[in-house]
Amino acid sequence: EDQVTQSPEALRLQEGESSSLNCSYTVSGLRGLFWYRQDPGKGPEFLFTLYSAGEEKEKERLKATLTKKESFLHITAPKPEDSATYLCAVQRLDGYSGGGADGLTFGKGTHLIIQP
Amino acid sequence: DAGITQSPRYKITETGRQVTLMCHQTWSHSYMFWYRQDLGHGLRLIYYSAAADITDKGEVPDGYVVSRSKTENFPLTLESATRSQTSVYFCASSESRRGTDTQYFGPGTRLTVL
Repeated sequence: EDQVTQSPEALRLQEGESSSLNCSYTVSGLRGLFWYRQDPGKGPEFLFTLYSAGEEKEKERLKATLTKKESFLHITAPKPEDSATYLCAVQRLDGYSGGGADGLTFGKGTHLIIQP
Repeated sequence: DAGITQSPRYKITETGRQVTLMCHQTWSHSYMFWYRQDLGHGLRLIYYSAAADITDKGEVPDGYVVSRSKTENFPLTLESATRSQTSVYFCASSESRRGTDTQYFGPGTRLTVL
């Protein structure tokens, strides 16, 4: 069974204070690892897809990295508008994930608060 | 560009009633998905569809029914709602399984079963 564990559950930072969110995963074969951002009362918003160990992707103050066991979402000099819940999800290589052939298995998320 | 929409956004119903949540996408994506999001569980897949008239179960399908007669619509029906189905429901779509696998999510429907 695929498993995704995110840590910490919650993180409070000062504006400009860089940090990293962790996503540990267990999957028999990884097709892709996805990062989403979710604001209160809204649907998840796609950020990145990573496909193989060593891959990195960047978008503004965010940088996602991937190893064979985990992914990190690095936040550099965050601003209050970066406050959100960040979700990590995996999709299995053979298409089977958590009971659905093409579905994603999500972690519970990291609730990030950036204080001005 | 409307993208993916869900209706209603909020729904309150009673135990035993039938409820249908609607999902519509304007991208002509082949794949569509239904997830539920609960505190302490994260997002879990209920059902998905690879194309019109092709549907399959996800992780938590019990108590739900789906259909897909048109590519752009993917309604989710709770045939006899129970309190345990109180949740936030998200619809998602993706272009293809082997191409761009990114799933794009709708705004959600918050369902309360009394």
